Amino acid sequence: GENVEQHPSTLSVQEGDSAVIKCTYSDSASNYFPWYKQELGKRPQLIIDIRSNVGEKKDQRIAVTLNKTAKHFSLHITETQPEDSAVYFCAASPGNTPLVFGKGTRLSVIA
Amino acid sequence: DAGVIQSPRHEVTEMGQEVTLRCKPISGHNSLFWYRQTMMRGLELLIYFNNNVPIDDSGMPEDRFSAKMPNASFSTLKIQPSEPRDSAVYFCASSFDTGSGYTFGSGTRLTVV
Repeated sequence: GENVEQHPSTLSVQEGDSAVIKCTYSDSASNYFPWYKQELGKRPQLIIDIRSNVGEKKDQRIAVTLNKTAKHFSLHITETQPEDSAVYFCAASPGNTPLVFGKGTRLSVIA
Repeated sequence: DAGVIQSPRHEVTEMGQEVTLRCKPISGHNSLFWYRQTMMRGLELLIYFNNNVPIDDSGMPEDRFSAKMPNASFSTLKIQPSEPRDSAVYFCASSFDTGSGYTFGSGTRLTVV
């Protein structure tokens, strides 16, 4: 089955700097790659996703890139703000089986 | 739409007691998932349903865990008997299908003492 590895497990950045979180997956059939943000004590919420026919997708300060050959995808957050502090999860799925999540990255944005 | 609704939000119970967690998915979503979240193991898939039918329960840790989905708008996860190691946050999520983005409920924080 699918296996998703996520790095780093913790990340601290200064406000205004960029943050990058990376994930690798094992199943070459995976074609859907969402990212979730979970604030303390709250539910995971979908913030951006990408499908395998696209190499990059942007939404304001957030972007996701996908390299299918290397089987890795990344989340990029630019101009970080204190409200970006949360745990971020990547996930992957070939479409006919449920999402497999990474272990999460705790991002701290220091004002 | 009110989103995915879970109840209760918090549950504290004594070891050996039966616990029932409830979930109402988003109307029109055909897939429903139960996840357990702990610091050590992250988000673990316990079981999922497509069109009310259980598809894969290989993530259910033991026979003490069971789940049902009697109709498209309701699902339960039951633990009987409960043990302290079952303490975790249990999330229900729904989606149009297994390959779409999931919407999570607010979760149930279970504490077994």
